[in-house]
Amino acid sequence: QQQVKQSPQSLIVQKGGISIINCAYENTAFDYFPWYQQFPGKGPALLIAIRPDVSEKKEGRFTISFNKSAKQFSLHIMDSQPGDSATYFCAASYLLLSGNTPLVFGKGTRLSVIA
Amino acid sequence: EPEVTQTPSHQVTQMGQEVILRCVPISNHLYFYWYRQILGQKVEFLVSFYNNEISEKSEIFDDQFSVERPDGSNFTLKIRSTKLEDSAMYFCASSGPQPQHFGDGTRLSIL
Repeated sequence: QQQVKQSPQSLIVQKGGISIINCAYENTAFDYFPWYQQFPGKGPALLIAIRPDVSEKKEGRFTISFNKSAKQFSLHIMDSQPGDSATYFCAASYLLLSGNTPLVFGKGTRLSVIA
Repeated sequence: EPEVTQTPSHQVTQMGQEVILRCVPISNHLYFYWYRQILGQKVEFLVSFYNNEISEKSEIFDDQFSVERPDGSNFTLKIRSTKLEDSAMYFCASSGPQPQHFGDGTRLSIL
């Protein structure tokens, strides 16, 4: 119930291409879905997040697509660049008025963008 | 931009010893968390802390673990008697309430 399943485990994309990472969740109580980017030796850094009241959110080259009925969400990186090479984690939690809920992370996708 | 800072960046400890990992959350945040990441695996929740008490903890957070906010700025994770399987990256995060901002972690190596 608390799992977030992420795929693929690793991804190689040509520079300028589109990177797509998928996640699926089970707990319908989840209502907050962030994506984190992690470079080696660094902590996860928030990239973009979405609530289930919208089906898509775009910030620059990064887009989250959200399918509530399928309980799936995905990250699209347009015009992928070598600097995007990192590990990407999807996560889920639920927002309370108290706001203090832990994130459940997927297993991560190691993205390599090659020139 | 304000950030979460963690010290030390790397801690090497003998098995059975106590270790304290330190974190300075973002100053106006009210919610604090510890997560860990075993090498090559996903980030796992350990404990959350609000209003000077534990809000939620995972099954990983057993009696060997404790957290404390000893003053207005620091947030610590103590492992009382370390085991080999405690070797991991430990991340502190803070929020007010979302999103959660992570520090760069402490790499804990148990020998």
